[in-house]
Amino acid sequence: DAGVTQSPTHLIKTRGQHVTLRCSPISGHKSVSWYQQVLGQGPQFIFQYYEKEERGRGNFPDRFSARQFPNYSSELNVNALLLGDSALYLCASSSGVSNTEAFFGQGTRLTVV
Amino acid sequence: DAKTTQPNSMESNEEEPVHLPCNHSTISGTDYIHWYRQLPSQGPEYVIHGLTSNVNNRMASLAIAEDRKSSTLILHRATLRDAAVYYCILQHTGNQFYFGTGTSLTVIP
Repeated sequence: DAGVTQSPTHLIKTRGQHVTLRCSPISGHKSVSWYQQVLGQGPQFIFQYYEKEERGRGNFPDRFSARQFPNYSSELNVNALLLGDSALYLCASSSGVSNTEAFFGQGTRLTVV
Repeated sequence: DAKTTQPNSMESNEEEPVHLPCNHSTISGTDYIHWYRQLPSQGPEYVIHGLTSNVNNRMASLAIAEDRKSSTLILHRATLRDAAVYYCILQHTGNQFYFGTGTSLTVIP
């Protein structure tokens, strides 16, 4: 079985641009969460979606948005990129909305120049 | 976000048990305690989780203090592949994990 897949694996963008990151959860998983991991720090929670509805939002500006599609895949969008948005963006999927094991993808490495 | 406190780093000899401590004095009654680990250049990997009782699985054991203000992740026989950053996380709502800085475990051959 395929695990959580994220695309692209690496990305370079210029300040002010917009970026879309994609995540395909494990088959049968209905919950997708997004995290930002800056070098040397632990992952920071951005969003959780379950059954296409937003179930939680971390402390991130409105430049960050996400959505989940009927097939449970998800996109994370970031507008007006800043240098500080450079990070590893991780997607995690789980079968339930709460208190279940989360499976993380390998992440998308975003570099903003 | 509920906070956890872990040592920045620990060392263990290969094939010996490792006890990774975590303090979470502000835990609420419905918070679950989760442990994840992250190997270099990989996403975090689930290790174990529990609420009140001690838990065992094929990877590790989780010992939870009676007052739930602390917990300990136990790796019974450390291997070189266990070298990673271990995160202790309190899950309050949904599968929304607030990671701290974790404990970097070095396993010495």
